Amino acid sequence: DAGVIQSPRHEVTEMGQEVTLRCKLISGHNSLFWYRQTMMRGLELLIYFNNNVPIDDSGMPEDRFSAKMPNASFSTLKIQPSEPRDSAVYFCASSRDGNSYEQYFGPGTRLTVT
Amino acid sequence: QKEVEQNSGPLSVPEGAIASLNCTYSDRVSQSFFWYRQYSGKSPELIMSIYSNGDKEDGRFTAQLNKASQYVSLLIRDSQPSDSATYLCAVNMNSGGYQKVTFGTGTKLQVIP
Repeated sequence: DAGVIQSPRHEVTEMGQEVTLRCKLISGHNSLFWYRQTMMRGLELLIYFNNNVPIDDSGMPEDRFSAKMPNASFSTLKIQPSEPRDSAVYFCASSRDGNSYEQYFGPGTRLTVT
Repeated sequence: QKEVEQNSGPLSVPEGAIASLNCTYSDRVSQSFFWYRQYSGKSPELIMSIYSNGDKEDGRFTAQLNKASQYVSLLIRDSQPSDSATYLCAVNMNSGGYQKVTFGTGTKLQVIP
């Protein structure tokens, strides 16, 4: 079985540009999580979807961040406009059902905003 | 108080020894507990989950849970240099009205050959 797929793996962009990160869930999973990891703040949950519906977006840092799940297997995380402090590794994870089950992480997208 | 607390380490153990990684959590009603391993530059990888008090063994790994003390640990027997990584404790807890998994900041383990 394919694991969680993320693209791009690396993104370098200039401040003010729009960035879109993509994620494909593991087949059969119905919950998706977006995380951000930095040395200073560790692993932070940004938003989580269950059955395509956003359940908890309290971790989204500000209005510049938005996430969508247009179908059961795919999600995007968009940052517009990007800022240098958004530089981090962004992980997507999926699980079989909600937050009570094990989460499986994708390889991550390393974002650098200059 | 942090919701999930881990000693950041590094924890250094000689090859072949037992590594003991500890985690405490704040929510008394938490029911699901997970250990993830993260190699440098890689994503977290689930290695153990535990839901009931007591021990759960999987190969060289043993997870121990004590809900009364709000404490979960991971033992790695016969530690190998390949076990050198950061170990993240994760706990399912009620946060702002939602059930969500909260991660600790991780303990860095170094296994010395």
